Amino acid sequence: QPVLTQSSSASASLGSSVKLTCTLSSGHSSYIIAWHQQQPGKAPRYLMKLEGSGSYNKGSGVPDRFSGSSSGADRYLTISNLQSEDEADYYCETWDSNTSVFGGGTKLTVL
Amino acid sequence: QLQLQESGPGLVKPSETLSLTCTVSGGSISSSSYYWGWIRQPPGKGLEWIGSIYYSGSTYYNPSLKSRVTISVDTSKNQFSLKLSSVTAADTAVYYCARRGGYCSSTSCYFWYFDLWGRGTLVTVSS
Repeated sequence: QPVLTQSSSASASLGSSVKLTCTLSSGHSSYIIAWHQQQPGKAPRYLMKLEGSGSYNKGSGVPDRFSGSSSGADRYLTISNLQSEDEADYYCETWDSNTSVFGGGTKLTVL
Repeated sequence: QLQLQESGPGLVKPSETLSLTCTVSGGSISSSSYYWGWIRQPPGKGLEWIGSIYYSGSTYYNPSLKSRVTISVDTSKNQFSLKLSSVTAADTAVYYCARRGGYCSSTSCYFWYFDLWGRGTLVTVSS
């Protein structure tokens, strides 16, 4: 079963960029993941699917400021031109033949 | 636009069974392109997958909860349900229903990421 590791927190200034990382466990470096955003007090929202090649597909209505990339077992979510509404928890998700896994989440603070 | 809405008691006593229903509106739960699932989030903590179901009844459960979980589907009502038995305070959480891509062939079933979430409902386990 894959395991996803995320930093617990990150911070960046309004208008700047930030890159969040989700790391797949050994033996699972080729797995596809999904990124989800959870704003305070709200349900999670699907952002994008991200493949090991770095190819990504965003959900409907996700701003162009959000992009994805990959390197080895690492999957990245980059947010450019940070806005106040980007302050949220970000979770990565993956799956295999019969189970699903979420990372522990990264709390992003916009300064 | 497809929407999901959780419903059920907000308070459950320890050792009893937690029961929730998710109603799908704006689309059919019998679509061959999706699985439907439950995820929970204890207060201040992260997301935990509980299980997923296909309209045909194919189910997958989190191994850590499998002995206590039953997920079922009622296509006539466009609903799917969660039952979690023998609850304790550790089961206090916001429970989300969600949709994920997936399909079943004649021999195998596959699913992938969640792409649509319900608003969630808080269930507290307390006497």
